[in-house]
Amino acid sequence: DTEVTQTPKHLVMGMTNKKSLKCEQHMGHRAMYWYKQKAKKPPELMFVYSYEKLSINESVPSRFSPECPNSSLLNLHLHALQPEDSALYLCASSQEGRGQETQYFGPGTRLLVL
Amino acid sequence: EDQVTQSPEALRLQEGESSSLNCSYTVSGLRGLFWYRQDPGKGPEFLFTLYSAGEEKEKERLKATLTKKESFLHITAPKPEDSATYLCAVAAGGSYIPTFGRGTSLIVHP
Repeated sequence: DTEVTQTPKHLVMGMTNKKSLKCEQHMGHRAMYWYKQKAKKPPELMFVYSYEKLSINESVPSRFSPECPNSSLLNLHLHALQPEDSALYLCASSQEGRGQETQYFGPGTRLLVL
Repeated sequence: EDQVTQSPEALRLQEGESSSLNCSYTVSGLRGLFWYRQDPGKGPEFLFTLYSAGEEKEKERLKATLTKKESFLHITAPKPEDSATYLCAVAAGGSYIPTFGRGTSLIVHP
């Protein structure tokens, strides 16, 4: 099973709202990722968790706050977003060892900020 | 700096018209090259991982090949349902995190 699940599928929020995106995998992967993707662009890396610890933050604004409660779950907390944050948010997971780097992606959450 | 370049940016084919997509890379110490298919508004779907020059993998109408500088995704007798964006990504050196190319948008006309 190579499934990564994400909820919700769609989210509309105002600039003053607080919301969270959720991601789950049961492949035993120890690396989990958040990506942001705009239309007709490749995925843009936001955060990487390795063994439940934040290992990479690609200079993402603090209105995005990641959390990894355990090895299977990844959250992205959203607060005071801007309209330009509207995008498809993708979660992915992988292992880290050589020969195990293949990332598996979830279906994404389509976010619209009004 | 590691670079991944995909070409063409867009490709239109007639159903049954075979072609190839290219992914060229300039990295030190390739760890893996990955191909994904992405439909609009959905997450990338994993297709293949290639690790070393000369390696080939096939799945239905798709065949991926790898040399020391580039990878090709060959599409044989494509069907309209093969229409999608195909993404290439490369992991190299000490990092397991891949760098993505900009993708090739493929449209197959019936």
